[in-house]
Amino acid sequence: GAVVSQHPSRVICKSGTSVKIECRSLDFQATTMFWYRQFPKQSLMLMATSNEGSKATYEQGVEKDKFLINHASLTLSTLTVTSAHPEDSSFYICSARGGTRELFFGEGSRLTVL
Amino acid sequence: QKEVEQDPGPLSVPEGAIVSLNCTYSNSAFQYFMWYRQYSRKGPELLMYTYSSGNKEDGRFTAQVDKSSKYISLFIRDSQPSDSATYLCAMTNTDKLIFGTGTRLQVFP
Repeated sequence: GAVVSQHPSRVICKSGTSVKIECRSLDFQATTMFWYRQFPKQSLMLMATSNEGSKATYEQGVEKDKFLINHASLTLSTLTVTSAHPEDSSFYICSARGGTRELFFGEGSRLTVL
Repeated sequence: QKEVEQDPGPLSVPEGAIVSLNCTYSNSAFQYFMWYRQYSRKGPELLMYTYSSGNKEDGRFTAQVDKSSKYISLFIRDSQPSDSATYLCAMTNTDKLIFGTGTRLQVFP
């Protein structure tokens, strides 16, 4: 099946710093990529939808200035958590969709903000 | 009321048992229904995908959708310890997937 690679898988940072997470579709062109956040024992919550070459669409309650999303190519989207705080600690997962409705998920990135 | 309801479990069964996982939903517009499996500290992986009502079988897994009752199920036959994971249902009528909270399944030898 299609592969979506997410990097880094784990990151620990100090409060106030910025962290970038990459999401790559390895064997297909992803016209749309999605970023989810998953808190412990809770479901995945969609943060934003990004289409290649255009601005991301953020879900209600998600700060676009804090969670910067860039989808510069058909195989790469990045999520930058700016001025991270401990409450931003979570499991961030990207997914990508090509020509079909099927979604392929990355392995996820666990962010811990000290 | 949440759009998608799913019992969080944990559900603990012996190896070889038949497992039934369920979700209910409130939005009658949902047309696409998925089941994902998520191992600890990993991203979800798609198990089954159905469109509208009906049954779909893939090996030991059977997905059922009953749109009249707004109820979907995933059955796992001859469950194995390697099936131990969290199972998430998800559904949509557009691009935005709405997930259940996931049911944690433990299959013991």
